[in-house]
Amino acid sequence: GAGVSQSPSNKVTEKGKDVELRCDPISGHTALYWYRQSLGQGLEFLIYFQGNSAPDKSGLPSDRFSAERTGGSVSTLTIQRTQQEDSAVYLCASSYTGTSHEQYFGPGTRLTVT
Amino acid sequence: EDQVTQSPEALRLQEGESSSLNCSYTVSGLRGLFWYRQDPGKGPEFLFTLYSAGEEKEKERLKATLTKKESFLHITAPKPEDSATYLCAVQIYGQNFVFGPGTRLSVLP
Repeated sequence: GAGVSQSPSNKVTEKGKDVELRCDPISGHTALYWYRQSLGQGLEFLIYFQGNSAPDKSGLPSDRFSAERTGGSVSTLTIQRTQQEDSAVYLCASSYTGTSHEQYFGPGTRLTVT
Repeated sequence: EDQVTQSPEALRLQEGESSSLNCSYTVSGLRGLFWYRQDPGKGPEFLFTLYSAGEEKEKERLKATLTKKESFLHITAPKPEDSATYLCAVQIYGQNFVFGPGTRLSVLP
């Protein structure tokens, strides 16, 4: 079946611009995660959605970052007033339930801020 | 501070040369330890979950083990297709996961 998809696959933007990154989780998966992966670094947790519960935003690095999940499915990560340090690969993952720890990852969006 | 480290940073093996990757963690409360494989340009792919010290899991040429302070990923008679970055992650509370920086494995034919 279809896996987790993310778009765009690559995004180049100028410093100060806003960007939106999209994630389509696996159908039926109730949990959705966003991570950031910088070169040579481990994955950094950003935000977690579980069903209709309030999201866990504890990993968002600043108030320039926000995310929403509409209808319990598609999620959008928005970065406002992008900075060069925001350049990274942004990964989305989904899992069947919040207690299932097997996460299925998308291919990521490579964001470059010039 | 919750921390996950992996060693070595990079490992080159000849095909058939068995070895082990290490994942060490210092966390306040371990709920689970996870191994993922990541190929270049792709998202991580789930391999194993370990929940308690002494637990072992196997899949093809890979075997993961867990102690109270670390986990090992043993690779037996590796093949070139095993070349990838192997990531370790610990679940500390709720749905919070802390990932290590990974070990880049290259298996030469």
